[in-house]
Amino acid sequence: AQSVTQLDSQVPVFEEAPVELRCNYSSSVSVYLFWYVQYPNQGLQLLLKYLSGSTLVESINGFEAEFNKSQTSFHLRKPSVHISDTAEYFCAVSSGYSTLTFGKGTMLLVSP
Amino acid sequence: EAGVAQSPRYKIIEKRQSVAFWCNPISGHATLYWYQQILGQGPKLLIQFQNNGVVDDSQLPKDRFSAERLKGVDSTLKIQPAKLEDSAVYLCASSSQETQYFGPGTRLLVL
Repeated sequence: AQSVTQLDSQVPVFEEAPVELRCNYSSSVSVYLFWYVQYPNQGLQLLLKYLSGSTLVESINGFEAEFNKSQTSFHLRKPSVHISDTAEYFCAVSSGYSTLTFGKGTMLLVSP
Repeated sequence: EAGVAQSPRYKIIEKRQSVAFWCNPISGHATLYWYQQILGQGPKLLIQFQNNGVVDDSQLPKDRFSAERLKGVDSTLKIQPAKLEDSAVYLCASSSQETQYFGPGTRLLVL
């Protein structure tokens, strides 16, 4: 069985500050890792993913995440956030073509 | 490329009524998923189809929930009869490989 833990339910930050959203997973097999973002009243949008290769993956809007196998983590970071980054962020894990297991989500609240 | 389409976007019903949701996946995606997302939680898988066959429905409450994908393309999820605790967002997703792409969801409120 696999599981995902997002320790922070809410992360408030000021605009232009750096942010880290934490994600830890457990799985007995090799995993694929994903971050999805959900804006209010919308579905989930894929932000970035780790499948294999380089452990550092980046999104087009400045987010990055690093796969750390020894710490079973896939934390999401951004060096400078914008108001428009306010949303809920979900970390998810799968093993190959199996179903996704999601964390409970972290609400990122960016204020001016 | 068109994304995953879902309808309706919102639905309000009374308990014990029935309701149906529709999903049209991304063209060419063989795998289709239905998730339930209760407020404040991450999505939980209800059922997974591979073409028109069920791969995983272990978390589907089969006494009241049913789903079909008859022609291996679009899919319908039905709840009959609905309970108060079914109030949630129902998300449809599709994939061709390891990455799932989600629709906008249907927000269901059961009164």
